[in-house]
Amino acid sequence: DAGVIQSPRHEVTEMGQEVTLRCKPISGHDYLFWYRQTMMRGLELLIYFNNNVPIDDSGMPEDRFSAKMPNASFSTLKIQPSEPRDSAVYFCASSPQDRGLYEQYFGPGTRLTVT
Amino acid sequence: QKEVEQNSGPLSVPEGAIASLNCTYSDRGSQSFFWYRQYSGKSPELIMFIYSNGDKEDGRFTAQLNKASQYVSLLIRDSQPSDSATYLCAVNYGGSQGNLIFGKGTKLSVKP
Repeated sequence: DAGVIQSPRHEVTEMGQEVTLRCKPISGHDYLFWYRQTMMRGLELLIYFNNNVPIDDSGMPEDRFSAKMPNASFSTLKIQPSEPRDSAVYFCASSPQDRGLYEQYFGPGTRLTVT
Repeated sequence: QKEVEQNSGPLSVPEGAIASLNCTYSDRGSQSFFWYRQYSGKSPELIMFIYSNGDKEDGRFTAQLNKASQYVSLLIRDSQPSDSATYLCAVNYGGSQGNLIFGKGTKLSVKP
């Protein structure tokens, strides 16, 4: 079974440009999470969805960030406009709901560099 | 504020020794507990979960949970250089919340 798929794996962009990160969760998983990881702040939860509905977006740093999940197999995280301080590794993770354990499985991440 | 605390390390152990990683959490209502391993430049990988008090063993790994003291630990027996990584503790606080709260991780270095 394929794991969580993220694209692109690396993104280099200039300040002010729009960035779109993509994620395909594991089939059958009910939860989808977007994280950001930096050396300084560690792993930060940005937003998560349950059955395609956003549940908690309190971790989204500001209005420049938005996330959507139009269907069970696809989600996007968009940054517009991007800033150098957005440089980080962005992970998508998915989780099944059936056993009530909520273990998460992470994708390979997108390394974003904003110059 | 629900928190998960870990010693950042680095924790250095010789090859073949037992590595002991510890984690404390703030909410007694916590339901399930996870250990992730993250190699440098890679994504976190789930290695163990536990939800009942006591020990759970999987190969060289043992997770220990003590809900009364609000701590969870991970023991790695016969440590190998390939175990060198950052280990993240994560906690699900139960109820209807499906998210995990992650600690900042402990960096483990196993010296040959």
